[in-house]
Amino acid sequence: DFVLTQTPLSLPVTPGEPASISCRSSQSLFDSDDGNTYVDWYLHRPGQSPQLLIYTLSNRASGVPDRFSGSGSGTDFTLRISRVEAEDFGVYYCMQRLEFPHTFGGGTKVEI
Amino acid sequence: VRLVESGGGVVQPGRSLRLSCEASGFTFSSYPIHWVRQAPGKGLEWVAVISYDGSKKYFAESVKGRFTISRDNSKNTVFLQMNSLTTDDTAVYYCVCSPDWGQGTLVTVSS
Repeated sequence: DFVLTQTPLSLPVTPGEPASISCRSSQSLFDSDDGNTYVDWYLHRPGQSPQLLIYTLSNRASGVPDRFSGSGSGTDFTLRISRVEAEDFGVYYCMQRLEFPHTFGGGTKVEI
Repeated sequence: VRLVESGGGVVQPGRSLRLSCEASGFTFSSYPIHWVRQAPGKGLEWVAVISYDGSKKYFAESVKGRFTISRDNSKNTVFLQMNSLTTDDTAVYYCVCSPDWGQGTLVTVSS
């Protein structure tokens, strides 16, 4: 199975400042058949269902502000928030869906 | 899009439980449906998926052989049959049709 390791576990941030989260996979998430890299990013706010932010490496999901961006290649990926806002606090997860079983990273808690 | 899970509750170790996910607002029979869970104080864990027509099913190693997944496209519903439950299966179980998630249903395995 693919193992995804996120760093840091906890990320103290100040509203208005940038933030970034790293996700490293034990195997490449690049699909040579179609050229896509199958890593997604989710935000899980307390008391809510998780929300898809980024899919297939760098595509923002519908309604996601452009302050969120995803990048990387192969086994190393980054989620960036250009300017953190109050609604961005919660736990962020990367997830691979190149192969089954899909697997999530351990999560990064973004907090004040 | 609406996904509504039901069937959660308290169950003793070794017993079974069946979760349901009723969908609306989209062409249900065209999409795969996933189950994802979150144990108390833990992260998200992908559990299982069923293809749009029910012909393909995949499971996490942690539930393989104990959980089964099925769907009834005439009723826009997916089922997760959970057998031989252990305390490690205690979690909120979410039904997912990407990018949409249900609100989750809590399963507590306890004697």
